[in-house]
Amino acid sequence: AQTVTQSQPEMSVQEAETVTLSCTYDTSENNYYLFWYKQPPSRQMILVIRQEAYKQQNATENRFSVNFQKAAKSFSLKISDSQLGDTAMYFCASQRGGGADGLTFGKGTHLIIQP
Amino acid sequence: ETGVTQSPTHLIKTRGQQVTLRCSSQSGHNTVSWYQQALGQGPQFIFQYYREEENGRGNFPPRFSGLQFPNYSSELNVNALELDDSALYLCASSSLTGGPRTDTQYFGPGTRLTVL
Repeated sequence: AQTVTQSQPEMSVQEAETVTLSCTYDTSENNYYLFWYKQPPSRQMILVIRQEAYKQQNATENRFSVNFQKAAKSFSLKISDSQLGDTAMYFCASQRGGGADGLTFGKGTHLIIQP
Repeated sequence: ETGVTQSPTHLIKTRGQQVTLRCSSQSGHNTVSWYQQALGQGPQFIFQYYREEENGRGNFPPRFSGLQFPNYSSELNVNALELDDSALYLCASSSLTGGPRTDTQYFGPGTRLTVL
């Protein structure tokens, strides 16, 4: 079984600042994937970034990047130059390779970007 | 927009009733997964359908059942509704190949179910 822990229920930063959201996970699998999803008030879950565990290089998507520390089972998300539209719930998730078990989500971090 | 659609948007039912939720997958995807998201929580995996068969299941009782159709759309059925079934139900589509690789899941907008 996989577990995902997000220890920050809520974070608030000023627009244009950089913010880092924490996530730790536990798995006995060698082949697994990690994701960050964003859920704005509209409820639609939107993929932010994906990391394959076998890749050492940290994934980046424009202003979003991750710090993947495999030995520590840590997977944090950094948002640079934060924007008002980044305000949302952010969920960290893991999935076993092959995908039949579905995603395992953390409880989420509510990120508020202040103008 | 992900191309994944769900209906209805909202639904109100009474305890003991049955409900059917629907999901249309993104073009090119062959797999649909269903999740239950209680208020203030992360989504929990219910089950996954691949090639019209249940391919994996989370810790949900048998009164949660599903179907997948030849066009890869899917239904989630919940019998004997309980108050705790009140939640946002999300479906996600992806493309499985049967190998070790995992495709990204793309989510629909969800169905909000309220059980009174």
